Amino acid sequence: GAGVSQSPRYKVAKRGQDVALRCDPISGHVSLFWYQQALGQGPEFLTYFQNEAQLDKSGLPSDRFFAERPEGSVSTLKIQRTQQEDSAVYLCASSLPRDGANSYEQYFGPGTRLTVT
Amino acid sequence: EDKVVQSPLSLVVHEGDTVTLNCSYEVTNFRSLLWYKQEKKAPTFLFMLTSSGIEKKSGRLSSILDKKELSSILNITATQTGDSAIYLCAKSSNYQLIWGAGTKLIIKP
Repeated sequence: GAGVSQSPRYKVAKRGQDVALRCDPISGHVSLFWYQQALGQGPEFLTYFQNEAQLDKSGLPSDRFFAERPEGSVSTLKIQRTQQEDSAVYLCASSLPRDGANSYEQYFGPGTRLTVT
Repeated sequence: EDKVVQSPLSLVVHEGDTVTLNCSYEVTNFRSLLWYKQEKKAPTFLFMLTSSGIEKKSGRLSSILDKKELSSILNITATQTGDSAIYLCAKSSNYQLIWGAGTKLIIKP
């Protein structure tokens, strides 16, 4: 079946531009996660949705970062007034369980590589 | 701070060698320990470990969890060049995964 998809795969933005990154999770997956991965590092948690509810946004690095999942499926991560330090791969992952206390394996999309010049 | 630490950070071996990758974690809110393989794209799931001492195996890869030592190992036997990747370990803590920095494994032909 179809996995998690993300678009665009690559994005180059000039400093100060706004960007929007899209994630299509696996159909029926309740939980959706956004991660930021810098070169040579493991993914860093940004935010978590259960259906359309954003239950945790503690990892968002600043108020320039905003995520939404209005209908509980597709999610968008928006970064306003991009800065060079925002350059990273942004990974989206989805998982099935409704119960946040049992975190099953997360399935990752291919990521969006954002380069801010 | 909740941390997952992996070692070594990088490893270069020859095809056919056996490697052991290490992962240690903090006990806070532990649910399970997961291993992922990351090549050029997104991490792909390898194993999820919840019980101590029970080995999970998939082909040449195997993994085991030691809850007493708060650690896990990932073994790869008879390595092949296709095993070259970053191997990530993550602790499942409630709904979150806390990730290690990964071990970069390079297999030389």
